[in-house]
Amino acid sequence: GAVVSQHPSRVICKSGTSVKIECRSLDFQATTMFWYRQFPKKSLMLMATSNEGSKATYEQGVEKDKFLINHASLTLSTLTVTSAHPEDSSFYICSADPTGTQNEQFFGPGTRLTVL
Amino acid sequence: AQSVTQPDIHITVSEGASLELRCNYSYGATPYLFWYVQSPGQGLQLLLKYFSGDTLVQGIKGFEAEFKRSQSSFNLRKPSVHWSDAAEYFCAVASSGGYNKLIFGAGTRLAVHP
Repeated sequence: GAVVSQHPSRVICKSGTSVKIECRSLDFQATTMFWYRQFPKKSLMLMATSNEGSKATYEQGVEKDKFLINHASLTLSTLTVTSAHPEDSSFYICSADPTGTQNEQFFGPGTRLTVL
Repeated sequence: AQSVTQPDIHITVSEGASLELRCNYSYGATPYLFWYVQSPGQGLQLLLKYFSGDTLVQGIKGFEAEFKRSQSSFNLRKPSVHWSDAAEYFCAVASSGGYNKLIFGAGTRLAVHP
């Protein structure tokens, strides 16, 4: 149980295009999901908190117009990288917090984004 | 501000040897502390967590960690390492924004020699 999937696992796109990454909780509902960015050989950095039915909360320094987050249902959150540039290339990881527990969050396997 | 330091970027041990991965945190109040393991192609998996109570925490896969407030440390240990333990290990502290908002250390990559 408590599986989180991400799609796609890997994406390559041209500079200036937009890319959507999906995060799904497969066997539980999640009012809250989180989006992290992981740079090579570096830590995970929290980008934003995705709340079902309301606007996402972004961490300081994260451009909300650049990284659009939609949490349309209790099992799906999407991250859209708009007008992607090579510096947006990174490993994006989501996690989901099962509704009602708040004691543990479960992580997706990540999405490798490469912007040419 | 809260922060987590993992001093060792890369550690190599022999299979069967003991392991200790270091983690130091900076946090004003009683911290919520976590250790996660990341294997290629898989999501981060929680090994163990400390919220309160007994400072020696037992986790999955034979791991344990000890919270030492005086040293601001939460080191991860395993008495006998298996080849399958080779992975990236992350220590994390929950931020003041909520115990599900995590601040991660830079990670320690563990290699296991046969």
